[in-house]
Amino acid sequence: DARVTQTPRDKVTEMGQEVTMRCQPILGHNTVFWYRQTMMQGLELLAYFRNRAPLDDSGMPKDRFSAEMPDATLATLKIQPSEPRDSAVYFCASAFGEGNYGYTFGSGTRLTVV
Amino acid sequence: DQQVKQNSPSLSVQEGRISILNCDYTNSMFDYFLWYKKYPAEGPTFLISISSIKDKNEDGRFTVFLNKSAKHLSLHIVPSQPGDSAVYFCAASSIIQGAQKLVFGQGTRLTINP
Repeated sequence: DARVTQTPRDKVTEMGQEVTMRCQPILGHNTVFWYRQTMMQGLELLAYFRNRAPLDDSGMPKDRFSAEMPDATLATLKIQPSEPRDSAVYFCASAFGEGNYGYTFGSGTRLTVV
Repeated sequence: DQQVKQNSPSLSVQEGRISILNCDYTNSMFDYFLWYKKYPAEGPTFLISISSIKDKNEDGRFTVFLNKSAKHLSLHIVPSQPGDSAVYFCAASSIIQGAQKLVFGQGTRLTINP
């Protein structure tokens, strides 16, 4: 049963600290997305990659967020420094190509910044 | 700028009756529409989709209707079951630089009452 794996599941950190979230996409999927879920905005697209190359990161606050894919099996989302308004659930999703059969989402990382 | 809107944050339906979830969009360039279902502490899972060239797609108890002139789509669940209680996200797709990009609505929490 192929799945997208995200770590950590939960993260509580103090304001100003660096946070790194990790995602292992489904083997063979070449498109990876980062979404953030908040009560007000629903699911917001932060960034996405195709064949490890960033295609669009316009949804991310550039001054503090960064997303990378060091290799095909790992995507990272980093926040430095973190702020209370970053508290949300962050989802990674992967897909193959440009098919319209839906992404596969991970279970998310619940981030709380105090 | 919310391109995909779900105006009902919640919906309560009696078991066995029909559940109708609604979604409106503003961008006429969207070429595919999808519905995702999300349980607590899990990532969204793909439910059903429809191409912009169709007006109806059915899969078991789930039917999605698309009204392009009104820029409106709806998800019908018949009959509703307790296991259908979840948050439902509407999403619209466009192809950007060879990758499908999904824009999500805010979600509607569906509760099925026994």
